[in-house]
Amino acid sequence: DAKTTQPTSMDCAEGRAANLPCNHSTISGNEYVYWYRQIHSQGPQYIIHGLKNNETNEMASLIITEDRKSSTLILPHATLRDTAVYYCIVRVSGGYNKLIFGAGTRLAVHP
Amino acid sequence: NAGVMQNPRHLVRRRGQEARLRCSPMKGHSHVYWYRQLPEEGLKFMVYLQKENIIDESGMPKERFSAEFPKEGPSILRIQQVVRGDSAAYFCASSPAQQGGAGELFFGEGSRLTVL
Repeated sequence: DAKTTQPTSMDCAEGRAANLPCNHSTISGNEYVYWYRQIHSQGPQYIIHGLKNNETNEMASLIITEDRKSSTLILPHATLRDTAVYYCIVRVSGGYNKLIFGAGTRLAVHP
Repeated sequence: NAGVMQNPRHLVRRRGQEARLRCSPMKGHSHVYWYRQLPEEGLKFMVYLQKENIIDESGMPKERFSAEFPKEGPSILRIQQVVRGDSAAYFCASSPAQQGGAGELFFGEGSRLTVL
């Protein structure tokens, strides 16, 4: 599975959009981009995933560049409860669902 | 539809004792994954099991740790002769039987082991 690079930490004001970047320059054609988050001491929570098209659900939007070498997770209206560590993971399709977590981005949403 | 259930949520053991952590996957899920998170560190994959089979144990320490997922009942992560360095949060995740595609993992709330 390809390696990802994320900033160590980010800040966001409550009510504003949080844009979390992820680089995955070695991604191959059959690898999906997944985003999970872990709120303090809780189990990781699935947010969204995509292959090459942009995706949106009730939690977030995922923007994947055309060359697929990077992506951005967007939380449109961040709240204090969105404070968490956000993990960007790439995983090959056709295999099983094992996920390898990196260090992630620690997002702090402040009033 | 209940989520992934882990118990106990907190476990305290003295050095040398055994720790058993249980994980009941979501209904209809037959794949289980165990992860360990040491204090202030990231999640590390330990083992992936299907019913009655260990598929990938590349992240399991070679000694003292074992995992099983019997035909009936929960998955068990067993740590023998615990040491202080085993103190961590142990998370279980499950997924449906599909292989390939874009499956997501559903995580439990974790079991926190403290070794005195």
